[in-house]
Amino acid sequence: QSVLTQPPSVSAAPGQKVTISCSGSSSNIGNNYVSWYQQLPGTAPKLLIYDNNKRPSGIPDRFSGSKSGTSATLGITGLQTGDEADYYCATWDSSLTTEVFGGGTKLTVL
Amino acid sequence: QMQLQESGPGLVKPSETLSLTCTVSGGSISSSSYYWGWIRQPPGKGLEWIGSIHYSGSTYYNPSLKSRVTISGDRSKKQFSLNLNSVTAADTAVYYCARSGGDYGDYAFDSWGQGTLVTVSS
Repeated sequence: QSVLTQPPSVSAAPGQKVTISCSGSSSNIGNNYVSWYQQLPGTAPKLLIYDNNKRPSGIPDRFSGSKSGTSATLGITGLQTGDEADYYCATWDSSLTTEVFGGGTKLTVL
Repeated sequence: QMQLQESGPGLVKPSETLSLTCTVSGGSISSSSYYWGWIRQPPGKGLEWIGSIHYSGSTYYNPSLKSRVTISGDRSKKQFSLNLNSVTAADTAVYYCARSGGDYGDYAFDSWGQGTLVTVSS
């Protein structure tokens, strides 16, 4: 069981918008920065969002992140078939003293 | 551009020690800004942080693995290594090395190796 809870799957049509939630607690999301990763099939994860809502250079602004209380959300607009991947949230857990990842959400672009 | 590459045996026997090395190219491993970590992913499952090492030599481990894990670094070779002892089939996973820190914060991994599958089996 992951400390951070994500929906197992989400889906939407090309061009549409989707959001992926990540629920935690005060010991992790509530008091630490959240990052998001995209993992395309058979590849290593790629950093999409850091510090809750910042994008590394080269990440299109179709990807956005937000945080409220003990939950975080990844938003993707203008969906493309190439966005089909697994998405993971992550943060530090101050009680467990470990980096924790969500269980991952599989995005299907119908 | 920073590149990381894992290397090591793809098959380890139960109860033995899993040893992997990550070689860094295209950048310095000696910057005080960065941490160098290991993350693993069992087949079909999610990501698990194993631990990280700072250039100073300080190490940080996942408490669930701490009794079996050692991460060390060799700045002269631009490498850092993972040793996981007393392995079982549950340790079968793709093992990634990755960098965190710098502009992206201590806990966000911005550069990753391609990953290497390690199978624990007799």
